[in-house]
Amino acid sequence: DMKVTQMPRYLIKRMGENVLLECGQDMSHETMYWYRQDPGLGLQLIYISYDVDSNSEGDIPKGYRVSRKKREHFSLILDSAKTNQTSVYFCASSLFAFSNERLFFGHGTKLSVL
Amino acid sequence: GDQVEQSPSALSLHEGTGSALRCNFTTTMRAVQWFQQNSRGSLINLFYLASGTKENGRLKSTFNSKESYSTLHIRDAQLEDSGTYFCAAEINTGNYKYVFGAGTRLKVIA
Repeated sequence: DMKVTQMPRYLIKRMGENVLLECGQDMSHETMYWYRQDPGLGLQLIYISYDVDSNSEGDIPKGYRVSRKKREHFSLILDSAKTNQTSVYFCASSLFAFSNERLFFGHGTKLSVL
Repeated sequence: GDQVEQSPSALSLHEGTGSALRCNFTTTMRAVQWFQQNSRGSLINLFYLASGTKENGRLKSTFNSKESYSTLHIRDAQLEDSGTYFCAAEINTGNYKYVFGAGTRLKVIA
């Protein structure tokens, strides 16, 4: 069953706390992505990972970092979360980055930073 | 983002009717994907197009790379078609990435 799994689904944190969002995929996809979705803005790319330890900044990387130590896992880390990082975070994967490949999304993590 | 403009921003359809959603691109796009975000927030991949037209049931999508637009046609709309539809365009900025439009909120009315 091909899927992208995100944990947790919902998370409430206080400003200044560290946040770890986890993502896994079972399709052996090389490329994984983290997006955030805010009302009226669609999805904005935070980071993209082309394979293990091969990560690149997306359009809005400030305040975030990522870790990819295994091909099937991609983590998003917020060191000292801010209230403007309240959002819904989506992880996605695709087989390759440089060919015609579809994006598969997880169910999202709704993060509230108080 | 500014490179992908979706219209309309919101749309209401009566069951059984149809309409077209559109994405205009301000730069050259290599391919486009269409997604439906349902009431639970899940993003469902509807189509991937590098050119031409694809059809799946009551949905049909076209990508015209020369004129820089893509359309998603919905016919015989059903209540479960309600949700937000996003197009995502594949662009090359040194590395390939997807740029999303702001979405079209569709409400199907009985």
